[in-house]
This record gives sequence, C-alpha cells and structure tokens, in this order.
Amino acid sequence: SQTIHQWPATLVQPVGSPLSLECTVEGTSNPNLYWYRQAAGRGLQLLFYSVGIGQISSEVPQNLSASRPQDRQFILSSKKLLLSDSGFYLCAWMGSGEAFFGQGTRLTVV
Amino acid sequence: DAKTTQPPSMDCAEGRAANLPCNHSTISGNEYVYWYRQIHSQGPQYIIHGLKNNETNEMASLIITEDRKSSTLILPHATLRDTAVYYCIVNTNDMRFGAGTRLTVKP
Repeated sequence: SQTIHQWPATLVQPVGSPLSLECTVEGTSNPNLYWYRQAAGRGLQLLFYSVGIGQISSEVPQNLSASRPQDRQFILSSKKLLLSDSGFYLCAWMGSGEAFFGQGTRLTVV
Repeated sequence: DAKTTQPPSMDCAEGRAANLPCNHSTISGNEYVYWYRQIHSQGPQYIIHGLKNNETNEMASLIITEDRKSSTLILPHATLRDTAVYYCIVNTNDMRFGAGTRLTVKP
C-alpha cells in the first residue's frame, strides 16, 4: 500500500536560519507531489507542486524553494527563514484519484 | 485561486443530515470534483469524488448537478466527530484548496 512520510513533526527555528523539510512516498511511482502551508486558522495554501523528477511549479513567490531529486522524494527548503514562514506544512501526493497527505510539520520561527 | 466557492461555515444537529454545497461554475468537462475534510491539526482526509454521476461510499454521498456547475456533499447522519473544515476542489494538476466550509455538529 502507498504511504507518505513527512518529518519532522515539529520544528523551532530562529529567524535567518535555513530550512529543509523532506517528504517521501512509498508504494507508488511517478506521483504528483505537493507542498502546502497552513497558517493558524487559515486554509491550505499551495506552495509547490511537481509532476515529475526535476519539474517544480511554484505558486507563491517567496523565500522558499522546492526540489524533487528522486521520483518519490520532495524537499522544501529555505536559505533564510522569516517570522512569516511559521505555519503548518503539509506534503501530499496524488495518484490515480484521491490525494494522500502526510502528518505535517509544525514550524515555528522565533 | 481555487476554482470553487463554499459557504464559510455551517451548523448541523447531531444525527441529522449535513448538506454542504459547492459551486464550481468554471469546471471543465474532464475535471472531477473532490471532497476532503480537515480535522484540527491534522492533514486533510479524502472523502469522495465524482465526475458527473452521483456517488456514495461509507462516509458520504455526492450529488452533482446535471450541468456540473455545483455539487453537494451529504453526511447522512452527522456525528460530533464530523466537525471539521470541508473542502471541495476541482481536480487539476495544481490541486488548489479554497477556504472550505467549517461544519460544526452540535449535540
């Protein structure tokens, strides 16, 4: 069966520090992969999506970037975090139908 | 921007049916309608999807209008655990969520 792993579950980082969140999928090949951010009390904001290795579509211009070095690996990065980067980050994959979400990373930038 | 519009909030009495509407007037002929829900501090959970026929599963029913410009998610017997934010999205590669409907099931 397909599973999605996202880590860490929680993270506290100082302003200006780098960020790397990793998401991996098992049990499927060539999935569409997504990164979302959710601020407290708000909806899901699509940040990046990828339909294949090395193919990244950016939705929101900001200091975040994404990479897909392998078919089932999706990485969200930042060189220098801002306070406004705090939020709940979710990775998801979509196969032939429904989407599956990871458990999320709650990032607090201090 | 999301291609769907939903009311921001709804209440429902426990044990009654919850009917959650969604407008998707610009939907294309080959786009599916998907419904997800998100319980606080968790990732969204898939509920149901459909193209043009009504669908039913163990969680809910989905009614899609003949012109496909709107749909309704029906939870036949809402429980307190159904309290969540419900999202209706139109499937494209860029899976965009709107603000959803916050459903509160009251005892």
